[in-house]
Amino acid sequence: GESVGLHLPTLSVQEGDNSIINCAYSNSASDYFIWYKQESGKGPQFIIDIRSNMDKRQGQRVTVLLNKTVKHLSLQIAATQPGDSAVYFCAEMEYGNKLVFGAGTILRVKS
Amino acid sequence: ETGVTQTPRHLVMGMTNKKSLKCEQHLGHNAMYWYKQSAKKPLELMFVYSLEERVENNSVPSRFSPECPNSSHLFLHLHTLQPEDSALYLCASSHTGRGLTPYEQYFGPGTRLTVT
Repeated sequence: GESVGLHLPTLSVQEGDNSIINCAYSNSASDYFIWYKQESGKGPQFIIDIRSNMDKRQGQRVTVLLNKTVKHLSLQIAATQPGDSAVYFCAEMEYGNKLVFGAGTILRVKS
Repeated sequence: ETGVTQTPRHLVMGMTNKKSLKCEQHLGHNAMYWYKQSAKKPLELMFVYSLEERVENNSVPSRFSPECPNSSHLFLHLHTLQPEDSALYLCASSHTGRGLTPYEQYFGPGTRLTVT
């Protein structure tokens, strides 16, 4: 039969604009969250993490927001650059070191 | 990508072959992981080794056999695979603490496996 792949949501932004990538997680007991970036032909690269006792954490050009009430995580990228084009995954840690990944969002940056 | 390395980067094998994937981490971590990434599903955890003991086996078929001889090396032995096993196999490593202290995982570049 015909193979069907994942249909990932795509976010297209203009270079220099801010990007917001959203993620809904499933387990209200999850206490640790990570955002990863995956470029073509490479493994996922750690961007930023946040623990459940926080609702915001900032890194270099990136901010992660956590809303535990609605089980929502977002990644904000300031002044998006062409090198930011990639697939972005959120992951939740349910217990111990077991990460559960979302399907991912494709970010395309237009010059 | 020198933190976690994987070999080979690409592998084509027949269904009757036996091959092994290798992962090495240079980060001083004591937990290592195998993940499968295919076009049809999100990244899936296969195996977890913590302090060289397997602590997670995520209902993976027995045609996949992991081996962790020490905290820096991880292997995935493959035999009699099926075409649907074609995917990107990713290795990761992390610190691990007692209890539930979580740490970020660092990934290798993956092995692109094609089963013919």
